[in-house]
Amino acid sequence: DAGVIQSPRHEVTEMGQEVTLRCKPISGHNSLFWYRQTMMRGLELLIYFNNNVPIDDSGMPEDRFSAKMPNASFSTLKIQPSEPRDSAVYFCASGDRVWDIQYFGAGTRLSVL
Amino acid sequence: SQQGEEDPQALSIQEGENATMNCSYKTSINNLQWYRQNSGRGLVHLILIRSNEREKHSGRLRVTLDTSKKSSSLLITASRAADTASYFCATDERGGNKLTFGTGTQLKVEL
Repeated sequence: DAGVIQSPRHEVTEMGQEVTLRCKPISGHNSLFWYRQTMMRGLELLIYFNNNVPIDDSGMPEDRFSAKMPNASFSTLKIQPSEPRDSAVYFCASGDRVWDIQYFGAGTRLSVL
Repeated sequence: SQQGEEDPQALSIQEGENATMNCSYKTSINNLQWYRQNSGRGLVHLILIRSNEREKHSGRLRVTLDTSKKSSSLLITASRAADTASYFCATDERGGNKLTFGTGTQLKVEL
């Protein structure tokens, strides 16, 4: 298995632009998680899905952030409009169950100028 | 505040020495996990210990769990330069429905 695949690996954009991050979880996993990591705030859970259904989005910072999981093999995290304070590394992870071992992707490093 | 907080925040040792990292948490848990993150990479699961377990081993890793003190420790024996990374504990609150990661310990193993 190729593991959790995220794209792009790096994204540089200008303030106000729309950014879409993509994730392909490990086949057969039922849960998918989006995290954001910064030096100041550490690793933050933004949202997670179970069986493609959003369960907890309390970590989504603002309405500018949205996430979808149209099927079991694909999820997106969208930021519109992006702001410099959104600059961070965004990780996607998947797992068999919500509280079980999570497998992380390599992350997307986002820079908003 | 964080459910899991690691201590120390940073640790520097010589190759061959043992490294010990601690994690404290606040609520009752079902299990506790430790993850490693190499610079610029995603987190990698190392070991999971359940609330009814007190100690677990995996290769050079030894994890202990003291639920009465709400704390766990990760011991890496005979450290290698390749162990240089950040280490995070993660807990799932009993009755909760997600993992919460701690703030991490940055370990540097020098040759």
